[in-house]
Amino acid sequence: EVQLVESGGGLVQPGGSLRLSCAASGFIVSGTYMSWVRQAPGKGLEVVSVFYAGTSTWYADSVKGRFTISRHNSKNTLYLQMNSLRPDDSAVYYCTRDHSDGWFDPWGQGTLVTVSS
Amino acid sequence: DIQMTQSPPSLSASVGDRVTITCRASQSISRYLNWYQQKIGKAPKVLIYGASSLQGGVPSRFSGSGSGTDFTLTISGLQPEDFATYYCQQSFSTPWTFGQGTKVEIE
Repeated sequence: EVQLVESGGGLVQPGGSLRLSCAASGFIVSGTYMSWVRQAPGKGLEVVSVFYAGTSTWYADSVKGRFTISRHNSKNTLYLQMNSLRPDDSAVYYCTRDHSDGWFDPWGQGTLVTVSS
Repeated sequence: DIQMTQSPPSLSASVGDRVTITCRASQSISRYLNWYQQKIGKAPKVLIYGASSLQGGVPSRFSGSGSGTDFTLTISGLQPEDFATYYCQQSFSTPWTFGQGTKVEIE
């Protein structure tokens, strides 16, 4: 079964750091595009970072320089290192596979990040 | 970035109704348009990709159409489990962007 399971969210103070993990099963993370998409409470969906099938990456302007996407091939896991967190980074973070035509499936269950003092 | 605008932002409908949601792109995106359903507390789920291709396992009452800048998601015969928020997403040029969502509520 193709599945993604995120972990690592939680409550953190402004300026703090968190690392999100996304464990994949049923497919190889390194062989496909993988994305992190976030959803602030009551808001819409925003792509924040993409790891392309090679080594190139992309970041939304809102997180560039603060977030780093990476993967561990032998663990078949995607990560999102989030530093210098701000209250407006508070959201549910989903990892998802990006198909060749740019549609997302599957999605993980999401992990909630709350940035607050 | 390509802006995606959905209308209406919300709608009320009854079981059995035919529902249409519109998505407009700020520039032509050919047929690189995807539709998702999101229920409260759950991750989005793809319904339609490539403007009109039905994802496996999605009921045939869902259909998509359009090309260029104007797209439509139609639910023919709304079912109780269809009450949710629907998002369009363009995959013509990076960054992929989503519409703001259309909430389908029970009338």
